[in-house]
Amino acid sequence: ELKVEQNPLFLSMQEGKNYTIYCNYSTTSDRLYWYRQDPGKSLESLFVLLSNGAVKQEGRLMASLDTKARLSTLHITAAVHDLSATYFCAVADMDSNYQLIWGAGTKLIIKP
Amino acid sequence: EAGVTQFPSHSVIEKGQTVTLRCDPISGHDNLYWYRRVMGKEIKFLLHFVKESKQDESGMPNNRFLAERTGGTYSTLKVQPAELEDSGVYFCASSRSFSLNNEQFFGPGTRLTVL
Repeated sequence: ELKVEQNPLFLSMQEGKNYTIYCNYSTTSDRLYWYRQDPGKSLESLFVLLSNGAVKQEGRLMASLDTKARLSTLHITAAVHDLSATYFCAVADMDSNYQLIWGAGTKLIIKP
Repeated sequence: EAGVTQFPSHSVIEKGQTVTLRCDPISGHDNLYWYRRVMGKEIKFLLHFVKESKQDESGMPNNRFLAERTGGTYSTLKVQPAELEDSGVYFCASSRSFSLNNEQFFGPGTRLTVL
């Protein structure tokens, strides 16, 4: 059974700092997704990572995937207040019709 | 293009009542998914339609939940009778067919409260 562990669950940081959110998963998968959710809003797709060593960047966010370590990271560079949100990773379960198995989410608060 | 829409945005009902949630996917998206997030827990998959057919309904919690997608366009999720533990946020998502990455686009969710 695929399990996804995300950490930290809560992160409060100052603007301008760097930080990383981690997403570990327990069994082999070839697809990993990062989503952002603002309070009361829908889940917004940030990155889709499909292969080992994949790295994608959008603005101050960079996501990477290591399928051998079963680990993805979401790195935030020089954080700004607008990046405050809850971030989720989701992993496609290849043994269950590619159902998405979700991490618990990381609530990120960036203080001005 | 218009995004995924869901109706209602909030619903408050009493235990034993019936509620129907609606999801309109992005036009042309054959794949439609329902998810649920119960307070304090992870988002959980409920089921997956491909057009009007149920591809995978292994996540449906019990037979009080009925999902339909007649005509392969919008979908409804009915809970009958509702129980307290059904409270949570119900998300719908859609994706294109034959998409390599199967990127799913989500609606804003319906917050269901069962009293």
